[in-house]
Amino acid sequence: GDSVTQMEGPVTLSEEAFLTINCTYTATGYPSLFWYVQYPGEGLQLLLKATKADDKGSNKGFEATYRKETTSFHLEKGSVQVSDSAVYFCALSDRTSGSRLTFGEGTQLTVNP
Amino acid sequence: SQTIHQWPATLVQPVGSPLSLECTVEGTSNPNLYWYRQAAGRGLQLLFYSVGIGQISSEVPQNLSASRPQDRQFILSSKKLLLSDSGFYLCAWSPLAGGKTGELFFGEGSRLTVL
Repeated sequence: GDSVTQMEGPVTLSEEAFLTINCTYTATGYPSLFWYVQYPGEGLQLLLKATKADDKGSNKGFEATYRKETTSFHLEKGSVQVSDSAVYFCALSDRTSGSRLTFGEGTQLTVNP
Repeated sequence: SQTIHQWPATLVQPVGSPLSLECTVEGTSNPNLYWYRQAAGRGLQLLFYSVGIGQISSEVPQNLSASRPQDRQFILSSKKLLLSDSGFYLCAWSPLAGGKTGELFFGEGSRLTVL
């Protein structure tokens, strides 16, 4: 079955540091890939997505590139801010699952001033 | 625009008591609806999803149940709560026609503590 593996957290960075959160996946066919963000006490929000190989999703300074050859969708940001502190979830959907997303475990990011 | 609401936001229940969480979507018709659970320190687990009124699919066997009495209403229930039911419950919807892209829109979440 489908699965998503994220790098283990928590991750603690200083403001303006470079961020990478690794995500790899296993799926049949050609899934769509997503990063969701969950701020403290809130539900999840879509951060960015990519629907086919080599697509780059981007939003709010975050980027992730759909790498079919390495089955990866790593999240990056060049300079994090305190307001980026949140839990980040990698997820996928394939043709059979539609919007029944398979999520990774989530990575807690804390950015210190 | 579309909005999703779920309630209550927080509740504390004794073991063996019943549960009812409600979720409603506004501004769209025929949405796919989902219940996810996020246990402490763990990822998201899909519990139920629905593609229409009265149509419920369960992903994980458990003592929870779901119902969809109206097109835009989704209810999560239990007759007798267990300690292991504690967690953060998230309702979500997706457009029926847009289901191919997989994007979900989440509610604010309901935090359940079973004592």
